[in-house]
Amino acid sequence: DMKVTQMPRYLIKRMGENVLLECGQDMSHETMYWYRQDPGLGLQLIYISYDVDSNSEGDIPKGYRVSRKKREHFSLILDSAKTNQTSVYFCASSPGHSTEVFFGKGTRLTVV
Amino acid sequence: QQKVQQSPESLIVPEGGMASLNCTSSDRNVDYFWWYRQHSGKSPKMLMSIFSNGEKEEGRFTVHLNKASLHTSLHIRDSQPSDSALYLCAASGGNYQLIWGSGTKLIIKP
Repeated sequence: DMKVTQMPRYLIKRMGENVLLECGQDMSHETMYWYRQDPGLGLQLIYISYDVDSNSEGDIPKGYRVSRKKREHFSLILDSAKTNQTSVYFCASSPGHSTEVFFGKGTRLTVV
Repeated sequence: QQKVQQSPESLIVPEGGMASLNCTSSDRNVDYFWWYRQHSGKSPKMLMSIFSNGEKEEGRFTVHLNKASLHTSLHIRDSQPSDSALYLCAASGGNYQLIWGSGTKLIIKP
């Protein structure tokens, strides 16, 4: 069963704490993404990864960094979380960078 | 300015009615359009895609594309309450990553 798995699903952090969001996919997809979604703003691309250690900034990379050491695993790190990073974060993967995108179930992050 | 514009922002359609959603790209490098559906509290899932001029039908869903105007539309006939969702349009082309619109919130009223 093809899927993108995100952990954790829900997370509450205090301002200034570090946050690690994990994502895995079992489809051997080359391309992986991290998006955040806020009401009325659709999906905003944070980072895109074209393969292991081949990552590029998306539209809103400030305050985030990523790590991809294995093709099936892509992590999003927030160093010193801020309240305006409260959002729903989606990890996604695709066979290429202009093909159907498969999404994980999302992580709802609240920074207080 | 957002490169993919969707309209309307929200739409209320009676059950059994026709829902029509629009999406236009201002980026002439785009040549592939995608429609994703996202139910409340869930993740987006691909509904339909189109890259040729004309229309494509899958069950109650029909997608039109006019490549000259870079406009695509999604039509849902015999709308059901389960069709209530956020509909996201995305465009891609060449080496570009997907460009997303901000979505149309569709509400089907029983």
